[in-house]
Amino acid sequence: EPEVTQTPSHQVTQMGQEVILRCVPISNHLYFYWYRQILGQKVEFLVSFYNNEISEKSEIFDDQFSVERPDGSNFTLKIRSTKLEDSAMYFCASQGLAGNEQFFGPGTRLTVL
Amino acid sequence: GESVGLHLPTLSVQEGDNSIINCAYSNSASDYFIWYKQESGKGPQFIIDIRSNMDKRQGQRVTVLLNKTVKHLSLQIAATQPGDSAVYFCAEIAGANSKLTFGKGITLSVRP
Repeated sequence: EPEVTQTPSHQVTQMGQEVILRCVPISNHLYFYWYRQILGQKVEFLVSFYNNEISEKSEIFDDQFSVERPDGSNFTLKIRSTKLEDSAMYFCASQGLAGNEQFFGPGTRLTVL
Repeated sequence: GESVGLHLPTLSVQEGDNSIINCAYSNSASDYFIWYKQESGKGPQFIIDIRSNMDKRQGQRVTVLLNKTVKHLSLQIAATQPGDSAVYFCAEIAGANSKLTFGKGITLSVRP
């Protein structure tokens, strides 16, 4: 069964450093999303991406964040200068044309020291 | 503001019993509701969904009920099994291909 994959599973970085979180969505999907989940809290929407551009973004997704689909398979989330409060699980999700089900990856745990 | 929330933070049930997890939402414009299950160390996994023009939908051992009058969503799990132990989230969507707005998770713990 096709699935969304994410790398790395755990990323540790120093405050102020740049990180890139990578996702490989399900191959025939067209809608892509990033969410984050701070430990013990609910999952929060960050950004959605369709047709090579951002469809919607939340207040969390400020100028320090960017997304890119550099080729036909990868979907990346970049945080330019990480802050302590960026520590969270980051989930990528993708969705096909049929239905509204978003399929989630296993997540990347980002720890900012 | 708009929010989706859960009434109880934890639920403990006996194996074999039925479980009911409740959720309240406040965005009357939402037209699609989903229940997700999240096991430790994993991403949310789709369980069942329901459109706003329905009041009940059944899956395998799970039933989702929607009461738009009181903006209430519930997930019923029949014959709860140890493998059902997880955190459950309700989520809503307003508009096709739009973002998911999640509620606070509730932990379901199944006693053997």
